[in-house]
Amino acid sequence: SQQGEEDPQALSIQEGENATMNCSYKTSINNLQWYRQNSGRGLVHLILIRSNEREKHSGRLRVTLDTSKKSSSLLITASRAADTASYFCATGRGGSYIPTFGRGTSLIVHP
Amino acid sequence: DGGITQSPKYLFRKEGQNVTLSCEQNLNHDAMYWYRQDPGQGLRLIYYSQIVNDFQKGDIAEGYSVSREKKESFPLTVTSAQKNPTAFYLCATTSGGGLSRYKGTSTDTQYFGPGTRLTVL
Repeated sequence: SQQGEEDPQALSIQEGENATMNCSYKTSINNLQWYRQNSGRGLVHLILIRSNEREKHSGRLRVTLDTSKKSSSLLITASRAADTASYFCATGRGGSYIPTFGRGTSLIVHP
Repeated sequence: DGGITQSPKYLFRKEGQNVTLSCEQNLNHDAMYWYRQDPGQGLRLIYYSQIVNDFQKGDIAEGYSVSREKKESFPLTVTSAQKNPTAFYLCATTSGGGLSRYKGTSTDTQYFGPGTRLTVL
């Protein structure tokens, strides 16, 4: 069952531009995580935001969380060609620590 | 990918064959997971194990089997009963996940292996 859903499914931008992708979820959560997957590789953890946090930064990444709207956004500033990847949000399914992943946003950054 | 190895990287299976995908970790993590990823799709949970000698079915366990005889190893067997096994298989671990965490609502950070791409000929 899909808990988190990313939007848009695909995003194409030029190097230097900002990229924003969103995640909506259905049930209450304790935290939400964002992962990146380069083509043909495993996922890599980017950032975790807890339910009592509204915003978190890590380098060029900025994550926000709105628990009232059950949504999160991931902003990549000053994007680079190396940011080209798929990005997934993951939330714990209700009553369990096991994360559920959405279908991801495919980001292409053109040099 | 560091600390988790999956082998082989590519695997080809003939119809009716069972094949086993290897997942080994040296992170000393308790919990291990197997996911299946189809093109353009998210990750679907096949099986997970919180501690040695214990494992649970995920969302799409039919046609798959696992074992957890050692903390470091969680092999996945794709049986002939799995009718559409062509996919990318990912193994993951979390540092928590023991029975004491089972009823928790936090989600541990997952560490992923590099994946195995299985193709049915």
